[in-house]
Amino acid sequence: EVQLVESGGGLVQPGGSLRLSCAASGFMFRDYHMDWVRQAPGKGLEWVGRNKDKRRSHATEYAASVKGRFSISRDDSKDTVYLQMNSLKSEDTAVYYCVRVDGGKGGYDSLGSWGQGTLVTVSS
Amino acid sequence: AIQMTQSPSSLSASIGDRVTITCRASQGIGKDLGWYQQKPGRAPKVLIYAASNLQSGVPSRFSGSGSGTDFTLTISSLQPEDFATYYCLQDDMYPLTFGGGTKVEIK
Repeated sequence: EVQLVESGGGLVQPGGSLRLSCAASGFMFRDYHMDWVRQAPGKGLEWVGRNKDKRRSHATEYAASVKGRFSISRDDSKDTVYLQMNSLKSEDTAVYYCVRVDGGKGGYDSLGSWGQGTLVTVSS
Repeated sequence: AIQMTQSPSSLSASIGDRVTITCRASQGIGKDLGWYQQKPGRAPKVLIYAASNLQSGVPSRFSGSGSGTDFTLTISSLQPEDFATYYCLQDDMYPLTFGGGTKVEIK
């Protein structure tokens, strides 16, 4: 069974940093792209970024709103993906979900497996 | 970035109704479009990928269609467990972008 468990959320002051972790189990972690998606309170979903699989050298992609402030890394030996968040702003307050990208028929992808989410609150 | 315009933002429907939600991309995305369902306090789950492929385990009353810029999610006969918020997501080009969501409520 695929499991994704996020941790590391909490209260942080504006301008501060926080690192989220997502521990994966139940699948060959290194073979999958891993995404972070966030949801501000009462708002819609926002894709944050991706760390690609080992075959693609763990290349990363980011949303414009976080590029240069956030970075996604992974440790395949620990089956864990990380979201390092720097220079945090109040608008980064959200539930952050860790997501496994699944490959489907015809080579099409989907955000197939989601963690339960962890809340990050940026406030003084 | 590709913008995804989803409509309506909310709708009221009765059990057994046919429900249609649309999503329009600001530029052509082929069939790189998925639909996601989210219930309050829960993580989203994928219903449809590649515009029309039903995710394993998803009831057949859900269907998707479209390509290029215009896409549709249809629920053929609304069930009590379908009251939720639905999002489209384009994964044709980075950054991936979601539609604004459609909240389906009980009439």
